[in-house]
Amino acid sequence: QQQVKQSPQSLIVQKGGISIINCAYENTAFDYFPWYQQFPGKGPALLIAIRPDVSEKKEGRFTISFNKSAKQFSLHIMDSQPGDSATYFCAASIRDYKLSFGAGTTVTVRA
Amino acid sequence: GAVVSQHPSWVICKSGTSVKIECRSLDFQATTMFWYRQFPKQSLMLMATSNEGSKATYEQGVEKDKFLINHASLTLSTLTVTSAHPEDSSFYICSAPQGDTRGYTFGSGTRLTVV
Repeated sequence: QQQVKQSPQSLIVQKGGISIINCAYENTAFDYFPWYQQFPGKGPALLIAIRPDVSEKKEGRFTISFNKSAKQFSLHIMDSQPGDSATYFCAASIRDYKLSFGAGTTVTVRA
Repeated sequence: GAVVSQHPSWVICKSGTSVKIECRSLDFQATTMFWYRQFPKQSLMLMATSNEGSKATYEQGVEKDKFLINHASLTLSTLTVTSAHPEDSSFYICSAPQGDTRGYTFGSGTRLTVV
């Protein structure tokens, strides 16, 4: 049973647009929420991560919004570029223990 | 930053043979290594957790005798796929937590094709 539910499965956005991916979790013991970017044939690369003591974290064009009461978190990609076309996974873990991954979202940025 | 070096990046083997995949932590000590497999267009599925100097812990449904994991040192963990069959063809990825709440580092993955 998937502990982290991710949506949408795929999305298409125009260059310069905003991509939004949502994740929800049930286990309130989770204390680390990373987002990974994966290109075909490569391992996942950490994009940005947040811990439950903050509601938002921004790094460049990437922002995580975290809603602890709703048990939801989301990734916003601002000013989307063709190079952002990849699969994005949300995940959650408890104190460096195993990560639970979402199902993934394939993002396609059209030029 | 922390790097986990995974080799080989791809391998083709014949049915019935064994294949070993190595993951090395280059600039930190990985007391724990997670091993995942990923089928096309799917998420990462945790197969097992290895801890240096002790037996690996396998997830439900993963055959221990087929996927042998060894974590003999603080910088090296290996996954051996024994008696490989075409259904074992997949993308295998290792990952190590960096400790001190610094997150996880992933290897670059190994594409295994069994013919």
